[in-house]
Amino acid sequence: AQTVTQSQPEMSVQEAETVTLSCTYDTSENNYYLFWYKQPPSRQMILVIRQEAYKQQNATENRFSVNFQKAAKSFSLKISDSQLGDTAMYFCAFVVYVFGNEKLTFGTGTRLTIIP
Amino acid sequence: DAGVTQSPTHLIKTRGQQVTLRCSPKSGHDTVSWYQQALGQGPQFIFQYYEEEERQRGNFPDRFSGHQFPNYSSELNVNALLLGDSALYLCASSSADTQYFGPGTRLTVL
Repeated sequence: AQTVTQSQPEMSVQEAETVTLSCTYDTSENNYYLFWYKQPPSRQMILVIRQEAYKQQNATENRFSVNFQKAAKSFSLKISDSQLGDTAMYFCAFVVYVFGNEKLTFGTGTRLTIIP
Repeated sequence: DAGVTQSPTHLIKTRGQQVTLRCSPKSGHDTVSWYQQALGQGPQFIFQYYEEEERQRGNFPDRFSGHQFPNYSSELNVNALLLGDSALYLCASSSADTQYFGPGTRLTVL
Protein backbone atom coordinates (compact mmCIF):
# COMPACT_ATOMS: atom_id res chain seq x y z
CA ALA A 1 0.00 0.00 0.00
CA GLN A 2 1.11 3.53 -0.71
CA THR A 3 0.86 5.91 2.22
CA VAL A 4 1.87 9.44 3.18
CA THR A 5 2.35 10.57 6.76
CA GLN A 6 2.42 14.16 7.93
CA SER A 7 3.12 14.09 11.65
CA GLN A 8 2.56 17.80 12.35
CA PRO A 9 -1.16 18.61 12.31
CA GLU A 10 -0.52 22.29 13.09
CA MET A 11 2.42 24.67 13.07
CA SER A 12 2.85 28.39 13.54
CA VAL A 13 5.77 30.69 12.93
CA GLN A 14 6.50 34.40 13.03
CA GLU A 15 6.52 36.28 9.78
CA ALA A 16 9.95 36.33 8.08
CA GLU A 17 11.10 33.20 9.92
CA THR A 18 11.89 29.83 8.37
CA VAL A 19 9.69 26.78 8.90
CA THR A 20 10.05 23.15 7.90
CA LEU A 21 7.11 20.79 7.34
CA SER A 22 7.74 17.06 7.59
CA CYS A 23 6.51 14.27 5.36
CA THR A 24 7.29 10.58 5.09
CA TYR A 25 5.89 8.18 2.53
CA ASP A 26 5.90 4.51 1.75
CA THR A 27 6.03 2.82 -1.62
CA SER A 28 7.80 -0.17 -3.10
CA GLU A 29 8.14 1.55 -6.45
CA ASN A 30 11.27 3.31 -7.68
CA ASN A 31 9.79 5.69 -10.22
CA TYR A 32 7.58 8.29 -8.61
CA TYR A 33 7.08 12.00 -8.12
CA LEU A 34 6.59 13.90 -4.89
CA PHE A 35 4.63 17.10 -4.43
CA TRP A 36 3.73 19.72 -1.92
CA TYR A 37 0.38 21.38 -2.44
CA LYS A 38 -0.95 24.40 -0.57
CA GLN A 39 -4.64 24.89 0.19
CA PRO A 40 -5.52 28.33 1.56
CA PRO A 41 -8.94 29.11 3.04
CA SER A 42 -10.14 29.79 -0.49
CA ARG A 43 -9.73 25.96 -0.81
CA GLN A 44 -7.98 26.03 -4.20
CA MET A 45 -5.27 23.37 -4.16
CA ILE A 46 -2.12 25.04 -5.46
CA LEU A 47 1.07 23.26 -6.51
CA VAL A 48 4.02 24.54 -4.48
CA ILE A 49 6.88 22.31 -5.58
CA ARG A 50 7.58 18.92 -7.16
CA GLN A 51 10.46 16.47 -7.03
CA GLU A 52 11.27 13.57 -9.33
CA ALA A 53 12.44 10.59 -7.30
CA TYR A 54 15.23 9.79 -9.77
CA LYS A 55 16.81 13.22 -9.25
CA GLN A 56 19.22 13.56 -6.35
CA GLN A 57 19.21 17.35 -6.43
CA ASN A 58 16.61 18.89 -4.15
CA ALA A 59 13.99 21.01 -5.89
CA THR A 60 13.68 24.73 -5.14
CA GLU A 61 11.08 27.31 -6.10
CA ASN A 62 11.92 30.78 -4.84
CA ARG A 63 11.39 30.70 -1.05
CA PHE A 64 10.35 27.03 -1.10
CA SER A 65 12.79 24.14 -1.08
CA VAL A 66 12.66 20.47 -0.22
CA ASN A 67 14.92 18.02 1.55
CA PHE A 68 14.44 14.74 -0.28
CA GLN A 69 15.93 11.68 1.41
CA LYS A 70 15.00 8.75 -0.82
CA ALA A 71 16.44 5.98 1.35
CA ALA A 72 14.61 7.31 4.37
CA LYS A 73 11.47 8.02 2.28
CA SER A 74 11.39 11.52 3.67
CA PHE A 75 10.31 14.68 1.83
CA SER A 76 10.26 17.83 3.96
CA LEU A 77 9.33 21.33 2.80
CA LYS A 78 11.26 24.39 3.93
CA ILE A 79 9.69 27.82 3.64
CA SER A 80 12.15 30.67 4.01
CA ASP A 81 11.27 34.28 4.84
CA SER A 82 7.69 33.24 5.56
CA GLN A 83 4.91 35.61 4.54
CA LEU A 84 1.33 36.08 5.73
CA GLY A 85 0.12 34.68 2.43
CA ASP A 86 1.80 31.37 3.26
CA THR A 87 -0.92 30.69 5.84
CA ALA A 88 -2.68 27.57 4.54
CA MET A 89 -3.04 23.82 4.79
CA TYR A 90 -0.05 22.08 3.24
CA PHE A 91 -0.41 18.60 1.78
CA CYS A 92 2.38 16.26 0.86
CA ALA A 93 1.51 13.87 -1.97
CA PHE A 94 3.10 11.46 -4.38
CA VAL A 95 2.26 9.62 -7.56
CA VAL A 96 3.78 6.43 -8.85
CA TYR A 97 4.51 7.11 -12.47
CA VAL A 98 3.18 4.03 -14.19
CA PHE A 99 0.90 4.53 -17.18
CA GLY A 100 -2.66 3.90 -16.10
CA ASN A 101 -1.83 4.17 -12.42
CA GLU A 102 -1.37 7.85 -11.76
CA LYS A 103 -3.45 8.61 -8.72
CA LEU A 104 -2.12 11.06 -6.18
CA THR A 105 -1.86 9.79 -2.62
CA PHE A 106 -2.12 12.57 -0.06
CA GLY A 107 -1.19 12.99 3.56
CA THR A 108 -3.58 14.43 6.12
CA GLY A 109 -2.05 17.88 5.92
CA THR A 110 -0.31 20.41 8.15
CA ARG A 111 -2.10 23.62 9.03
CA LEU A 112 0.49 26.40 8.91
CA THR A 113 -0.20 29.81 10.43
CA ILE A 114 2.12 32.75 9.85
CA ILE A 115 1.91 35.19 12.75
CA PRO A 116 2.36 38.90 11.97
CA ASP B 1 -4.40 30.59 -20.17
CA ALA B 2 -7.40 29.41 -18.17
CA GLY B 3 -6.69 26.92 -15.46
CA VAL B 4 -8.92 24.07 -14.37
CA THR B 5 -12.50 25.20 -13.88
CA GLN B 6 -15.32 23.50 -11.99
CA SER B 7 -19.03 24.10 -11.68
CA PRO B 8 -21.03 24.71 -9.67
CA THR B 9 -19.16 26.28 -6.76
CA HIS B 10 -21.63 25.14 -4.14
CA LEU B 11 -24.47 22.65 -4.20
CA ILE B 12 -27.04 21.58 -1.64
CA LYS B 13 -28.93 18.32 -2.10
CA THR B 14 -31.05 16.01 0.02
CA ARG B 15 -30.46 12.35 0.74
CA GLY B 16 -31.37 10.04 -2.12
CA GLN B 17 -30.98 12.68 -4.81
CA GLN B 18 -28.53 12.59 -7.68
CA VAL B 19 -25.90 15.20 -8.50
CA THR B 20 -23.65 16.05 -11.45
CA LEU B 21 -20.45 18.02 -11.08
CA ARG B 22 -18.51 19.40 -14.03
CA CYS B 23 -14.86 20.04 -14.79
CA SER B 24 -12.98 21.66 -17.66
CA PRO B 25 -9.29 20.83 -17.78
CA LYS B 26 -6.40 23.17 -18.28
CA SER B 27 -5.62 23.82 -21.93
CA GLY B 28 -3.47 21.06 -23.38
CA HIS B 29 -4.35 18.53 -20.67
CA ASP B 30 -6.00 15.25 -21.66
CA THR B 31 -6.36 13.50 -18.30
CA VAL B 32 -8.89 14.35 -15.61
CA SER B 33 -8.92 12.99 -12.06
CA TRP B 34 -11.55 13.44 -9.37
CA TYR B 35 -10.96 13.58 -5.63
CA GLN B 36 -13.20 13.79 -2.60
CA GLN B 37 -11.99 15.88 0.34
CA ALA B 38 -13.90 15.53 3.59
CA LEU B 39 -13.60 18.33 6.11
CA GLY B 40 -10.18 18.28 7.78
CA GLN B 41 -8.87 15.47 5.60
CA GLY B 42 -6.60 15.07 2.63
CA PRO B 43 -8.17 14.42 -0.78
CA GLN B 44 -9.11 10.84 -1.62
CA PHE B 45 -8.87 9.59 -5.20
CA ILE B 46 -12.19 8.69 -6.84
CA PHE B 47 -11.23 7.94 -10.44
CA GLN B 48 -9.29 9.12 -13.46
CA TYR B 49 -10.34 9.55 -17.08
CA TYR B 50 -8.16 9.43 -20.16
CA GLU B 51 -9.30 9.21 -23.77
CA GLU B 52 -12.92 9.08 -22.59
CA GLU B 53 -12.29 5.91 -20.58
CA GLU B 54 -12.09 5.36 -16.84
CA ARG B 55 -8.47 4.39 -16.43
CA GLN B 56 -8.20 3.92 -12.70
CA ARG B 57 -10.61 3.89 -9.79
CA GLY B 58 -10.24 4.39 -6.07
CA ASN B 59 -12.19 2.75 -3.28
CA PHE B 60 -15.56 4.34 -3.99
CA PRO B 61 -18.91 2.60 -4.59
CA ASP B 62 -20.61 2.34 -7.95
CA ARG B 63 -22.87 5.23 -6.96
CA PHE B 64 -19.96 7.35 -8.11
CA SER B 65 -19.63 7.41 -11.87
CA GLY B 66 -18.11 9.69 -14.42
CA HIS B 67 -17.68 10.60 -17.99
CA GLN B 68 -15.12 12.32 -20.17
CA PHE B 69 -16.08 14.11 -23.36
CA PRO B 70 -14.09 14.43 -26.61
CA ASN B 71 -12.98 17.94 -25.56
CA TYR B 72 -11.49 16.33 -22.38
CA SER B 73 -14.01 17.95 -20.02
CA SER B 74 -15.48 15.63 -17.46
CA GLU B 75 -18.48 15.02 -15.24
CA LEU B 76 -18.77 13.32 -11.88
CA ASN B 77 -22.16 11.81 -11.06
CA VAL B 78 -23.22 10.63 -7.64
CA ASN B 79 -26.48 8.72 -7.25
CA ALA B 80 -28.53 8.00 -4.12
CA LEU B 81 -26.75 10.66 -2.10
CA LEU B 82 -25.85 9.92 1.51
CA LEU B 83 -25.07 12.38 4.28
CA GLY B 84 -21.48 11.11 4.16
CA ASP B 85 -21.11 12.32 0.60
CA SER B 86 -20.93 15.89 1.90
CA ALA B 87 -17.45 17.06 0.95
CA LEU B 88 -15.36 19.23 -1.33
CA TYR B 89 -15.00 17.58 -4.74
CA LEU B 90 -11.82 18.45 -6.54
CA CYS B 91 -11.04 17.97 -10.17
CA ALA B 92 -7.44 17.84 -11.39
CA SER B 93 -6.09 17.79 -14.92
CA SER B 94 -2.71 16.67 -16.19
CA SER B 95 -0.85 15.91 -19.39
CA ALA B 96 2.10 14.12 -17.83
CA ASP B 97 3.11 13.65 -14.23
CA THR B 98 1.81 16.78 -12.49
CA GLN B 99 -1.83 17.36 -11.61
CA TYR B 100 -3.30 20.84 -11.39
CA PHE B 101 -6.47 21.38 -9.41
CA GLY B 102 -9.62 23.35 -9.90
CA PRO B 103 -11.30 25.40 -7.17
CA GLY B 104 -13.60 22.56 -6.17
CA THR B 105 -17.33 22.08 -5.70
CA ARG B 106 -18.65 22.10 -2.15
CA LEU B 107 -21.47 19.53 -1.91
CA THR B 108 -23.72 19.54 1.12
CA VAL B 109 -26.20 16.68 1.58
CA LEU B 110 -29.06 17.33 4.02
